[in-house]
This record gives sequence, structure tokens and C-alpha cells, in this order.
Amino acid sequence: NAGVMQNPRHLVRRRGQEARLRCSPMKGHSHVYWYRQLPEEGLKFMVYLQKENIIDESGMPKERFSAEFPKEGPSILRIQQVVRGDSAAYFCASSPQGIANEQFFGPGTRLTVL
Amino acid sequence: GNSVTQMEGPVTLSEEAFLTINCTYTATGYPSLFWYVQYPGEGLQLLLKATKADDKGSNKGFEATYRKETTSFHLEKGSVQVSDSAVYFCALSRDSNYQLIWGAGTKLIIKP
Repeated sequence: NAGVMQNPRHLVRRRGQEARLRCSPMKGHSHVYWYRQLPEEGLKFMVYLQKENIIDESGMPKERFSAEFPKEGPSILRIQQVVRGDSAAYFCASSPQGIANEQFFGPGTRLTVL
Repeated sequence: GNSVTQMEGPVTLSEEAFLTINCTYTATGYPSLFWYVQYPGEGLQLLLKATKADDKGSNKGFEATYRKETTSFHLEKGSVQVSDSAVYFCALSRDSNYQLIWGAGTKLIIKP
């Protein structure tokens, strides 16, 4: 049973470009969570999605950031017009139900904005 | 609000040394407490957890006891190995809430 997959593992963008981060949950998991880790800080919750629905996006910046989890395919975290402050590690987790202690994490995508 | 504070790293120890990584928390109610580990190049893995006061979580020789009186969940291991080198994160969740609230992580380096 493959774990949570994230790609790309490393992504470099110039200011103003778009970044798309993908997350494939574990088989049988329909709940996906995105977290962001800024340098020297802990992870911060961004958004919680179930198939085709955003359940909680309270941790997501109001502008430039969006997330989706379509019926088919991976979850996508999209950052438009990236700025240097978006440079961080973005982690995805999935779970069979919406409970914190059942979350399995992917290896993360490290975004660098030049 | 809810928060987690853990000791700054890096923590550098020799093989077979005793390990303690401190973690304290602030939360209302009765949170669940977790330790996650991140090995180089990999995702975070749940190491152990405790869901109520005085519970002790344990796994792979690591232990942590949920101390409500001191709001702490310190991670300990009696004899560390080079393979324990990783970043360790303390986290909490409120009741069955799906949000995990994280400490900043502590990098552990074990020298042979």
C-alpha cells in the first residue's frame, strides 16, 4: 500500500509565476490536509478537503492560494503570483476519516521562490 | 489559544546516550498529544501518541508521558542510535479535531 505521494519534491519559481503542488492520498483515504512549514517554524494547518469539497480553509491565505480535491486525481494546492514569502515546505496528509491521529504524511514539496 | 513549545535544536548526542526532548503545550480542554519523526528526505511519521492525562505513549524505545499538571509531553529514549538522527515534532489536537498544532521541531544528531 503506497504512502501519500507528493510531487514535485522540489519546485523553483520566479516571483509572479504560478506553483502547483500535487498530493495523492493513500488508497482508501478520502480526507486530505495541507500544511505549510516556514523556515525554523512548525507546520501550520492550511486546508482540509474531502472529495470535491473544501471542509475548512481557515488556515489558507485569502488571496493567491486555492486548493481542490477532485473526484478523480490528486489534490492540488495552487499558488498564483508567488512571492518570496511563499518559500516553504508544503506537506500533505491523508486519513480515512477526519481525525488528527489518523493522518499519514507525504514527504513534502519544497518551494523556492527566486 | 492552543500552542506547542519544544526545545530548540540541534541536539547532538553520542550513541547510547540518554535522550530527552522537552515539549510543553497550552490548550483548553483535554488535547491529544503526539510525537512525529521526520527522517531525512521522508515525510512525517507518527512515533507515539497519548490521548489522556497520565497515558504513556511508546514506540521503538521512545516514550512520552502526558503530564497535565505540568502541561508537558517530553520525549525520552534510554539509549539512542545513529539511526535515530532525525527531526522530531511535538503536536496536539483538540478532542477529535482534525487540526494538528505543531511545535517547531527539534533536530537530533547522533554521533557514532
